[in-house]
Amino acid sequence: GENVEQHPSTLSVQEGDSAVIKCTYSDSASNYFPWYKQELGKGPQLIIDIRSNVGEKKDQRIAVTLNKTAKHFSLHITETQPEDSAVYFCAASSRGGSEKLVFGKGTKLTVNP
Amino acid sequence: NAGVTQTPKFRILKIGQSMTLQCTQDMNHNYMYWYRQDPGMGLKLIYYSVGAGITDKGEVPNGYNVSRSTTEDFPLRLELAAPSQTSVYFCASSYRTGHIFYEQYFGPGTRLTVT
Repeated sequence: GENVEQHPSTLSVQEGDSAVIKCTYSDSASNYFPWYKQELGKGPQLIIDIRSNVGEKKDQRIAVTLNKTAKHFSLHITETQPEDSAVYFCAASSRGGSEKLVFGKGTKLTVNP
Repeated sequence: NAGVTQTPKFRILKIGQSMTLQCTQDMNHNYMYWYRQDPGMGLKLIYYSVGAGITDKGEVPNGYNVSRSTTEDFPLRLELAAPSQTSVYFCASSYRTGHIFYEQYFGPGTRLTVT
């Protein structure tokens, strides 16, 4: 089945710097790649997603890139702010249908003021 | 819309006890999911449902059961609680238009401790 690797597990940046989180996936049939943000004590919340027919997508300070050939995708956060501090999860749709997702193990991002 | 709601928020069980985690969504989504989240391990799919009356196993179904009698509700049952089931449990829902699946909306979670 699908396997998603996420790096790094922890990331600390200074306010205003950029942060990059990378994920690789194993199933070439995967076609949907969402990114979720989880704040302490809360459920994950979608921040951006990308489908396999698109190479890049942006939403204000957040962008995601997808390289289907290499089977990896990345989250880019620019001009980081303390409120960006959270755990971020990548996911990929699993073989058999996009209704199921396989998640990476998460990246704890800390933005220092 | 309340979105996805879960009850209880916290629960402590003794080994061998049973309980049901409740999940309700008011978005008329066909797809519903149960995940468990262990520290540093991401989210693992326990069971999912593609519609009322239809359920299927995920990656880690052992020790759990589910039912889906209505579109809105998707309860998760633990029959004989074990310490290995200590975790945070999240329910989620999603929908599809044609062949396009959309984001999964998560509930706030239930923190379960088995001692």
